[in-house]
Amino acid sequence: DTEVTQTPKHLVMGMTNKKSLKCEQHMGHRAMYWYKQKAKKPPELMFVYSYEKLSINESVPSRFSPECPNSSLLNLHLHALQPEDSALYLCASSQEGGGFNGYTFGSGTRLTVV
Amino acid sequence: DQQVKQNSPSLSVQEGRISILNCDYTNSMFDYFLWYKKYPAEGPTFLISISSIKDKNEDGRFTVFLNKSAKHLSLHIVPSQPGDSAVYFCVFQGAQKLVFGQGTRLTINP
Repeated sequence: DTEVTQTPKHLVMGMTNKKSLKCEQHMGHRAMYWYKQKAKKPPELMFVYSYEKLSINESVPSRFSPECPNSSLLNLHLHALQPEDSALYLCASSQEGGGFNGYTFGSGTRLTVV
Repeated sequence: DQQVKQNSPSLSVQEGRISILNCDYTNSMFDYFLWYKKYPAEGPTFLISISSIKDKNEDGRFTVFLNKSAKHLSLHIVPSQPGDSAVYFCVFQGAQKLVFGQGTRLTINP
């Protein structure tokens, strides 16, 4: 299995809702990442988990809350989002440190906040 | 401070010809440079990488060149095919993170 699976593919939520994005990989990768991509912009790093511990938080607002329940799963809990948070949210995984084979990205969750 | 710059937002190439995508960088403290390809509404797909100790890496139709003195990276695709039409990102891999360039939209014309 060489894929990163993200669910749901599309999500529409109101500003008072609570929702979660899920990400799963079975490649034995010990680093997992959340990236955010706005239209016509490159992906931007949000969080890095290394060996199931949060190692990087790129000053992301607390309305985004990551969770790594085990080495294969990564969640992103959403609460009280704003319309400007609408974006494509990408999950990725890699061997620790990345390396020559780069990161493997999922197809993303297209989030719309109304 | 943009560490990775792709100065051409778009490029149009005839099918069968060579596509050359360019990238400049400012930070020399990197482990690898990578090229990713992205279709709309999909995640980026890893194409090819080069380590800091190399100046060339080739994989099939794709070749990446690294000029460390000029801090310049390029991706050559030859021959170009219609399926190569996508956005290409030059990506700097440092400590635990990838830093993406702004991307170049490549269109291959039949």
